[in-house]
Amino acid sequence: SAVISQKPSRDICQRGTSLTIQCQVDSQVTMMFWYRQQPGQSLTLIATANQGSEATYESGFVIDKFPISRPNLTFSTLTVSNMSPEDSSIYLCSVQRNTGELFFGEGSRLTVL
Amino acid sequence: AQSVTQLDSHVSVSEGTPVLLRCNYSSSYSPSLFWYVQHPNKGLQLLLKYTSAATLVKGINGFEAEFKKSETSFHLTKPSAHMSDAAEYFCVVSDRSWGKFQFGAGTQVVVTP
Repeated sequence: SAVISQKPSRDICQRGTSLTIQCQVDSQVTMMFWYRQQPGQSLTLIATANQGSEATYESGFVIDKFPISRPNLTFSTLTVSNMSPEDSSIYLCSVQRNTGELFFGEGSRLTVL
Repeated sequence: AQSVTQLDSHVSVSEGTPVLLRCNYSSSYSPSLFWYVQHPNKGLQLLLKYTSAATLVKGINGFEAEFKKSETSFHLTKPSAHMSDAAEYFCVVSDRSWGKFQFGAGTQVVVTP
């Protein structure tokens, strides 16, 4: 298994502001993944964060809105920029082990007013 | 291409009775299949996985799933539901490419006394 810590666990933000979510993994991993889970919905992949290169974004997600940093093999941040109420979601950090499965952090629950 | 369909968005069972959560998948390759559980205000936890070994897979908390290639199904079962099983369950398919997972829409399980 993997221990993945996310901060903040929840936050309430004002429209137009930005929030940075941190993800710390207890061991080195090549790729880290950021998912969004909108209220009552399933998970959607936002981007894949590789150490030493720019993140790879999925269709519908752009770097200006969701900038990602990956300074080392155990840490990543996701920023939600210029937030609107539509950004209210759970944001989840995850890693994939060599055994194939994904492991997830507890998530960051974001409410935008 | 890969996709996954969870046939029930909501399942209600009585404590002590069997639970069946249905999942059908589509994959161009020999897939890996997973079931995850998400309790309220928590991240996703792996229940079990199929990766081409035994077709009947046993997981944590008494859950098991059977991979049926002819039916392209991976249904999750538990013989006797417990109150603590009330949660959201996600069926996930992967074509074994690194980082490529497709999540089902989820099934909300309610357990009544």
